[in-house]
Amino acid sequence: QLQLQESGSGLVKPSQTLSLTCAVSGGSISSGAYSWSWIRQPPGKGLEWIGSVYHSGSTYYNPSLKSRVTVSVDRSKNQFSLKLSSVTAADTAVYYCAKGPAAGNWYGDYWGQGTLVIVSS
Amino acid sequence: QSVLTQPPSVSGAPGQRVTISCTGSSSNIGAGYDVHWYQQLPGTAPKLLIHGNSNRPSGVPDRFSGSKSGTSASLAITGLQAEDEADYYCQSYDSSLSGSEVFGGGTKVTVL
Repeated sequence: QLQLQESGSGLVKPSQTLSLTCAVSGGSISSGAYSWSWIRQPPGKGLEWIGSVYHSGSTYYNPSLKSRVTVSVDRSKNQFSLKLSSVTAADTAVYYCAKGPAAGNWYGDYWGQGTLVIVSS
Repeated sequence: QSVLTQPPSVSGAPGQRVTISCTGSSSNIGAGYDVHWYQQLPGTAPKLLIHGNSNRPSGVPDRFSGSKSGTSASLAITGLQAEDEADYYCQSYDSSLSGSEVFGGGTKVTVL
């Protein structure tokens, strides 16, 4: 059974860079042409897709965040990562990582439990 | 304001049938992009309930069903149970501007 686990700093200062990692277990991130994504949820609000990296290496980002986001894969560590620069209080949220299909319309079929990131000085 | 519009809340008695609508436009659902549905129990991560408009992943009860028509989609829950009390989100792709995966604002289902 595939499992995803987010980790990273839970408290980030304004203007700094948020960095999170999603460790994949129960399967290889390199086996199967899947997509790997990040989604966030501000406290008490709805879900927002951040970005995805596909098996081909192609990356796709939410246009509203594109200038600040990088999603990448480290196949040697069986994990993928999120970097969000120049954070503000509006970036405070629970951040989820998720696996999706290789192609076609994206959806998240396996999700991590989520990690809360607070942006505050 | 979400690109996909859902009612904030729906409610029903145990055993009843409830439906949740997800209204989009010609740049997302109406353009032919698939709609997916998630269930989020309090304090937990979203769980995939329906993918590709009407397909249930293994393990999802057949009480949950999805459909799509025109620029809208719907999730139906039949035989409502107390454990179904949760937030439900629809999701699709929107091709406007640079393109993006988009979620509905979410619907809280309350079992009376």
